[in-house]
Amino acid sequence: GAGVSQSPSNKVTEKGKDVELRCDPISGHTALYWYRQSLGQGLEFLIYFQGNSAPDKSGLPSDRFSAERTGGSVSTLTIQRTQQEDSAVYLCASSFVQGGTEAFFGQGTRLTVV
Amino acid sequence: GIQVEQSPPDLILQEGANSTLRCNFSDSVNNLQWFHQNPWGQLINLFYIPSGTKQNGRLSATTVATERYSLLYISSSQTTDSGVYFCAATRDDKIIFGKGTRLHILP
Repeated sequence: GAGVSQSPSNKVTEKGKDVELRCDPISGHTALYWYRQSLGQGLEFLIYFQGNSAPDKSGLPSDRFSAERTGGSVSTLTIQRTQQEDSAVYLCASSFVQGGTEAFFGQGTRLTVV
Repeated sequence: GIQVEQSPPDLILQEGANSTLRCNFSDSVNNLQWFHQNPWGQLINLFYIPSGTKQNGRLSATTVATERYSLLYISSSQTTDSGVYFCAATRDDKIIFGKGTRLHILP
């Protein structure tokens, strides 16, 4: 695609429900990154993928968070049993290769847990 | 892991003024980027600048990798320049962000 696409743009969910956030990277980009941004704060690194592999999952806040990537393209970030502190904007980025090239961000998914 | 620090945290300027934003990083990096986050939350790429100097209109950036810092210059500020400016450094395949500089340009 022309840019990184994330869906949904906004998600309101009840505490305790599971949510799935989707990221479509730029076509041909092999590296994909997930970040979380709480209101008025900086970007917190969550996880990155090189192809379908996630070498480092240490940024995930808890075991309620998981992510996968299939076909070296679309990625899904899943949050189980959501809590109010999970409310934030979740941002996805992609780059042509890992580490050494320019990364581009999607518009984000604003998650609100009520 | 690598630490990225930005200064100042907040900056208020009159339209037409010039500004310099600084980014320090604690270790050698593979690359460095500057982003502008607009009021709608979108991160706009400004510069991909692992070293050297680049210019784009009223904006320019310089990275001195050996001294572990980067500078973003904004000249003749406009109200549309308001927002948060982030620098992000890549090392060990992670892109780590600073906490940002919040810029307010007054008309």
